[in-house]
Amino acid sequence: QLLLQESGPGLVKPSETLSLTCTVSGGSISSRSYFWGWIRQPPGKGLEWIGSINYSGTIYYNPSLQTRVTISVDTSNNQFSLRLSSVTAADTAMYYCARDATYSSMDNWGQGTLVTVSS
Amino acid sequence: VMMTQSPATLSLSPGERATLSCRASQSVSSNLAWYQQKPGQAPRLLIYGASTRATGIPARFSGSGSGTEFTLTISSLQSEDFAVYHCQQYNDWPSGTFGQGTKVEI
Repeated sequence: QLLLQESGPGLVKPSETLSLTCTVSGGSISSRSYFWGWIRQPPGKGLEWIGSINYSGTIYYNPSLQTRVTISVDTSNNQFSLRLSSVTAADTAMYYCARDATYSSMDNWGQGTLVTVSS
Repeated sequence: VMMTQSPATLSLSPGERATLSCRASQSVSSNLAWYQQKPGQAPRLLIYGASTRATGIPARFSGSGSGTEFTLTISSLQSEDFAVYHCQQYNDWPSGTFGQGTKVEI
């Protein structure tokens, strides 16, 4: 059974960088059929795709966040990571990682982690 | 592509039929997915390709539509079906955009 688990600080100060890691178990992040994505959901709002990466490092970002986002992959540890710089209160959200089937939907999600931006 | 879901909230009783709508601002062909999200949980994939149920999804869930108009139908609501439902287009994958969600409440 494929499991994804997000980890990282739950509180980040304004202007600092948010950093999260997603650990994949029960399957290989090096599968050629999938990308691995980050999605967020501000309190009471809808879902927003942040970006996706595959095992070889091919990356796609949401244009609205592209200047502040960095996604990376660590195949040796079956992990991928998200960094979002210069955060503001608007970046407060539940952050999810998910398996992103190429040219299709997101078929496995982590439980999510709440990140609050506050001083 | 903007995705608009309606209604925002649907109030129904167990055993009733639920019909949820999702409209795209431009054609997304059949590149549409539906997700179910219960409080405090991650979204779960229900439907992809507009009408194909994901693994393990009960037959009471069905999806239809193509182009710009899509529907998720729950034929007979069970207690565990009360949740928020999101649609997502992935026609311009990976830039998939989501609707704002429909809450199905008792």
